[in-house]
Amino acid sequence: QAQLVQSGSELKKPGASVKVSCKASGYDFSRYVINWVRQAPGQGLEWMGRIDTYTGNPTYAQGLTGQFVFSLDSPVSTAYLEISDLKVEDTAVYFCARDDPGATPFDCWGQGTLVTVSS
Amino acid sequence: DIQMTQSPSTLSASVGDRVTITCRASQTISDRLAWYQQKPGKAPKLLIYKASTLESGVPSRFSGSGSGTEFTLTISSLQPDDFANYYCQQHNYYPFTFGPGTKVDIK
Repeated sequence: QAQLVQSGSELKKPGASVKVSCKASGYDFSRYVINWVRQAPGQGLEWMGRIDTYTGNPTYAQGLTGQFVFSLDSPVSTAYLEISDLKVEDTAVYFCARDDPGATPFDCWGQGTLVTVSS
Repeated sequence: DIQMTQSPSTLSASVGDRVTITCRASQTISDRLAWYQQKPGKAPKLLIYKASTLESGVPSRFSGSGSGTEFTLTISSLQPDDFANYYCQQHNYYPFTFGPGTKVDIK
């Protein structure tokens, strides 16, 4: 069955960078878009953007700074979220989730990656 | 961007209760509304999409209705496994905004 497996928790200092991976299995990777969703501690869900796994074209939520970059390694069915110049307020759980545009929304989620930014 | 609101923010209920959560969109989204359940430390789980379509494997005690700007999620008979946070999400226009969530806890 479809599965998204994310990389493990990260502890980083302010100003550092981190790259979170999201590996897909059990389905045709190029058929579904990969979305990134952020959840700050004790808060709700925030859609950060998406990357079209067929074209490689990313779309970022308005207001999301250039700190955040989505990328793919399609031959290994993996999507990445890279966050640069980390700030304490970037501390959150980051989820990847697939959707089938025009059909089902986020029907398969990664387990989440906790990124903690602390000096 | 489309703004989503949910009510109530917290709901205290007992096992066996019928529970209803409301979600409103700031503009019409047709029937493109999804509901998710999230438990602490876990990823959200899709329950319903296109307002009323039950995701495969989701118990039939969950149902959704509505169109346009007003939607509801109903749990017909609350079970112990249902105590969780529930989020609505519009999937009609990017960005796919989420509601702020409703916590269903034990009365």
